[in-house]
Amino acid sequence: EVQLLESGGGLVQPGGSLRLSCAASGFTFSSYTMSWVRQAPGKGLEWVSSISGRGDSTYYADSVKGRFTISRDNPKNTLYLQVNSLRAEDTAVYYCARGVGDFWSGYLPRFDYWGQGTLVTVSS
Amino acid sequence: QSVLTQPPSASGTPGQRVTISCSGSSSNIGSNYVYWYQQLPGTAPQLLIYRNNQRPAGVPDRFSGSKSGTSASLAISGPRSEDEADYYCAAWDDSLSGVVFGGGTKLTVL
Repeated sequence: EVQLLESGGGLVQPGGSLRLSCAASGFTFSSYTMSWVRQAPGKGLEWVSSISGRGDSTYYADSVKGRFTISRDNPKNTLYLQVNSLRAEDTAVYYCARGVGDFWSGYLPRFDYWGQGTLVTVSS
Repeated sequence: QSVLTQPPSASGTPGQRVTISCSGSSSNIGSNYVYWYQQLPGTAPQLLIYRNNQRPAGVPDRFSGSKSGTSASLAISGPRSEDEADYYCAAWDDSLSGVVFGGGTKLTVL
C-alpha cells in the first residue's frame, strides 16, 4: 500500500525557516517523480515544486523560487522541502504527492497519491 | 487569480448530467494534458481524470473528462451525494514552466 506521511510543519515567524519531510512507503521511491502542492486555508490548490526520481531535475513555482528547495534521499525513501524566508502568504497545508516515472512536463500535473498534509503557519 | 478558470460552484440532481468547465490558454490546456482532482471535505485531493479523459482504477465511470482547444470539461452523469466535493483542473503551462491549477468548483448535489 502506497503511503506518504508529511511532517515538519508548525508555527514560524515571518522570515523564518522550516524543513518539511515526506516519508514514503509501499513503492519503489526512486522510480517516481515527487512533488509538493500546498493549500492555503479555505483556498484552492497551488503547485509548489517537483523533483525527478533521481533528484537531478527540479521545477519550482515562481512564488517560491529562490526561497524553497526540494530534495530527496532515495535510500531513506524521503522527500524534503526546505522553506526559507517565509511570508504570511506561505501559510498553508503542504501536501507531498507521487507522480509518475517519466519526468516530462506533460505528466507533472499527475499526482496519483497524496499524503494528509502538514500545516505551516507563518505569523508573528 | 488562477491561470485556469473554473466556475466557483455547480449543482445538479441525481438524474442530471453536471459539467464543470476549465478554461485556459494555448500555453497550458491548448498544448498539454488536463488532469482533474476531487477533494472531499477535510481530506487530501484524489486524482479523478488524467491525460484529458482517462480514469484511474477505482474511479466510477459516471465521471468523464474531455478537452477541446483551450478548454476542458469534467462531466458527472447522475451525481450522488458522496460526490459533493471541490473539483480542480490542472495542466502544465509552457510559458510559466510550471503546473497550474484552476481555482476549484464546489459541487452541490440537490
